[in-house]
Amino acid sequence: GQQVMQIPQYQHVQEGEDFTTYCNSSTTLSNIQWYKQRPGGHPVFLIQLVKSGEVKKQKRLTFQFGEAKKNSSLHITATQTTDVGTYFCAGPVKTNYGGSQGNLIFGKGTKLSVKP
Amino acid sequence: NAGVMQNPRHLVRRRGQEARLRCSPMKGHSHVYWYRQLPEEGLKFMVYLQKENIIDESGMPKERFSAEFPKEGPSILRIQQVVRGDSAAYFCASSQTGPNYGYTFGSGTRLTVV
Repeated sequence: GQQVMQIPQYQHVQEGEDFTTYCNSSTTLSNIQWYKQRPGGHPVFLIQLVKSGEVKKQKRLTFQFGEAKKNSSLHITATQTTDVGTYFCAGPVKTNYGGSQGNLIFGKGTKLSVKP
Repeated sequence: NAGVMQNPRHLVRRRGQEARLRCSPMKGHSHVYWYRQLPEEGLKFMVYLQKENIIDESGMPKERFSAEFPKEGPSILRIQQVVRGDSAAYFCASSQTGPNYGYTFGSGTRLTVV
């Protein structure tokens, strides 16, 4: 079945270092979404990418959607302790006829820890 | 705008009891999704509902689990005869028009089966 994979599973960085997480889908996606979950919290929507090759920035966060619309990345520049959490990518489930089914399939996430 | 409201936040049940988890979507959102999360794991889709309709329940275990989203009132995820393996965080999310726009998640219900 359709899968969304993320690497790495864990990343430990020193505060001020950069961080990147990668997301790969087994199928092309109509869009990809990124979420952040703080420890003990709930997932919070960060951004959605729709176009092939799209790049979006939110302050120190840069999101990219691959040309083939099967992969994506999230890069954080100069991490801070407030960046701690698990970052999930997600894409709509495809139906047999190629449309989006109506729910999101999530990757297993990359857990980021930041040492001050 | 109160966001997605889930209750209870924490629920403890003995094996064999029933668990009822409630979710009120954001105002104006008619799509509700339930996800389960085990510790250190990702979010596993369970069921997608719109008012009075189950759209997709492909992620729901065939037995003991059911979900509804009545015309009036919150969406309910019901687990009958709970077992220890049901212990997890259950998140509800809502969206305005489906999966092509970001979901808003509730704070979740942490279910512990003792």
